[in-house]
Amino acid sequence: NAGVTQTPKFQVLKTGQSMTLQCAQDMNHEYMSWYRQDPGMGLRLIHYSVGAGITDQGEVPNGYNVSRSTTEDFPLRLLSAAPSQTSVYFCASSQTGSSDTQYFGPGTRLTVL
Amino acid sequence: SQQGEEDPQALSIQEGENATMNCSYKTSINNLQWYRQNSGRGLVHLILIRSNEREKHSGRLRVTLDTSKKSSSLLITASRAADTASYFCATDARRGSTLGRLYFGRGTQLTVWP
Repeated sequence: NAGVTQTPKFQVLKTGQSMTLQCAQDMNHEYMSWYRQDPGMGLRLIHYSVGAGITDQGEVPNGYNVSRSTTEDFPLRLLSAAPSQTSVYFCASSQTGSSDTQYFGPGTRLTVL
Repeated sequence: SQQGEEDPQALSIQEGENATMNCSYKTSINNLQWYRQNSGRGLVHLILIRSNEREKHSGRLRVTLDTSKKSSSLLITASRAADTASYFCATDARRGSTLGRLYFGRGTQLTVWP
């Protein structure tokens, strides 16, 4: 099993550009989530999904969209990148939900100029 | 916010010593989890303690949970240089509008000197 994979590992965008961060898991997990990690702020939840077709907002959803068309994939879209979105983004999955062990991807480091 | 807060923010010890990190949170929880993050890497799950448990052990790790004080502690015994990492607690709400969300604290940076 590859576990949770994220692409790309690094990305530089200009303000106003859009992009999609990819996340995939091969463990047949129902629950998937996106976090951003900023220095001194810990991890903050952006969006999460409890199953295919079901998504919900976390603490900091503004500027980000998600969809969950399959169990395996949970892409995060930045519609119009802003410098405040410079961060490290982590995707995680778990078998049943937020009460369960979370498996994290290696992260995507995004810089918005 | 449900977010847990770790204390201290940074901890520096010698190899062989014990390291204790604390976590406080605000609302009733289902479980509390501890994660470790090595520099530049993703988080790795260490241990999960349920709200009806008071103490749990895993190898050199000991976690306690006091739901009346809304706090938890992580003890790493006989620390090694390889334990150098950031440690995070994570909590999920038992009920309410934040059901389904997992909140992380800001972490404790542990440095173990050889």
